[in-house]
Amino acid sequence: SAVISQKPSRDICQRGTSLTIQCQVDSQVTMMFWYRQQPGQSLTLIATANQGSEATYESGFVIDKFPISRPNLTFSTLTVSNMSPEDSSIYLCSVPGAGGPLTQYFGPGTRLLVL
Amino acid sequence: GIQVEQSPPDLILQEGANSTLRCNFSDSVNNLQWFHQNPWGQLINLFYIPSGTKQNGRLSATTVATERYSLLYISSSQTTDSGVYFCAVARFGNEKLTFGTGTRLTIIP
Repeated sequence: SAVISQKPSRDICQRGTSLTIQCQVDSQVTMMFWYRQQPGQSLTLIATANQGSEATYESGFVIDKFPISRPNLTFSTLTVSNMSPEDSSIYLCSVPGAGGPLTQYFGPGTRLLVL
Repeated sequence: GIQVEQSPPDLILQEGANSTLRCNFSDSVNNLQWFHQNPWGQLINLFYIPSGTKQNGRLSATTVATERYSLLYISSSQTTDSGVYFCAVARFGNEKLTFGTGTRLTIIP
């Protein structure tokens, strides 16, 4: 399985500010996924980040709020912009695994609290 | 979109007990995975099991695709099994996973 790291692991931010989350993978992958997990809830896909093209956003998520970069095949960033307390969540990146394109492995997550 | 329901939502067991977690999904899938989210938030991939049965130590899983459900069995539970268990599915040809509602398992020493 891929080794995935995320930075920061946690942060406390003031409303109205922005935070950029980094995701680093130890191998080259075509697709990277960004998920949000609100407190006590399941995971919801935010967007799919493809290298060399614009990210594909799911319904309810927009690029102005969650801009994504994918500069190469091992790295991606997700920015949470103009934050409000409702953005307090765990943000996770994931990649397809060695078990085949349909398996997925997750990074350790970034815990965000917005005051 | 596809709906994924898990039951029970919460389960509290004594160490050493066995448990069965269920995942029902509303449409045909070609991808089903079980994950364990530990108390620190890390998601661990347990099984990729779109059909059939697999076993890994004390854990096993069975998916009956024609009846649209999957079961995760945990035998001889340990406190380290505590956390939330999610199943996640994707439609044929779609790699985007839809996560279920989760089962929170608490193992008491």
